[in-house]
Amino acid sequence: ILNVEQSPQSLHVQEGDSTNFTCSFPSSNFYALHWYRWETAKSPEALFVMTLNGDEKKKGRISATLNTKEGYSYLYIKGSQPEDSATYLCAPGSNYQLIWGAGTKLIIKP
Amino acid sequence: DGGITQSPKYLFRKEGQNVTLSCEQNLNHDAMYWYRQDPGQGLRLIYYSQIVNDFQKGDIAEGYSVSREKKESFPLTVTSAQKNPTAFYLCASSRGGQLSSYEQYFGPGTRLTVT
Repeated sequence: ILNVEQSPQSLHVQEGDSTNFTCSFPSSNFYALHWYRWETAKSPEALFVMTLNGDEKKKGRISATLNTKEGYSYLYIKGSQPEDSATYLCAPGSNYQLIWGAGTKLIIKP
Repeated sequence: DGGITQSPKYLFRKEGQNVTLSCEQNLNHDAMYWYRQDPGQGLRLIYYSQIVNDFQKGDIAEGYSVSREKKESFPLTVTSAQKNPTAFYLCASSRGGQLSSYEQYFGPGTRLTVT
């Protein structure tokens, strides 16, 4: 896996609105996909690790889907709150290494 | 509390000097990683270690060296051979086995500035 693209690069969302963003990657040699949340002045924190095509995972208001055949994953946030403001990183990987996207920076407007 | 510590938070060095960044974990994880972050880019893997006394080069290992003498510790030395060392450095750890299977736990990072 050589090239990971996350879109959009940044996103402003009104508090209470729902939003989603994308992670795209070449589907060859895929083993797993990770999503992380990175808040300012904190360490990146794992949200999900997904491996199977069609996988859907949920943690509170945040969920993710995975399509390994077409090479993309979506992250959804329902009813955005100020504490959701962060950079969201995706990292697809082969069986020994993750390749990290540059992230989507999410800013929640009160 | 279990976690990963990195020290120092900020580090300033003169060009031509080697500098060692500390990374310690008490999560009993077998695997440890060093990443570098530059503005607008994804994390890039410098070195990783799956077990004590063993480590592998990542994508950008040139100018860096590591050691893994203890399970808890994975220090990174930025040598004078590293052409552009100013960056933010993150250390992480995870359970072993297939490295992509397990979530990674990150330290707070060290911001290195070389002038």
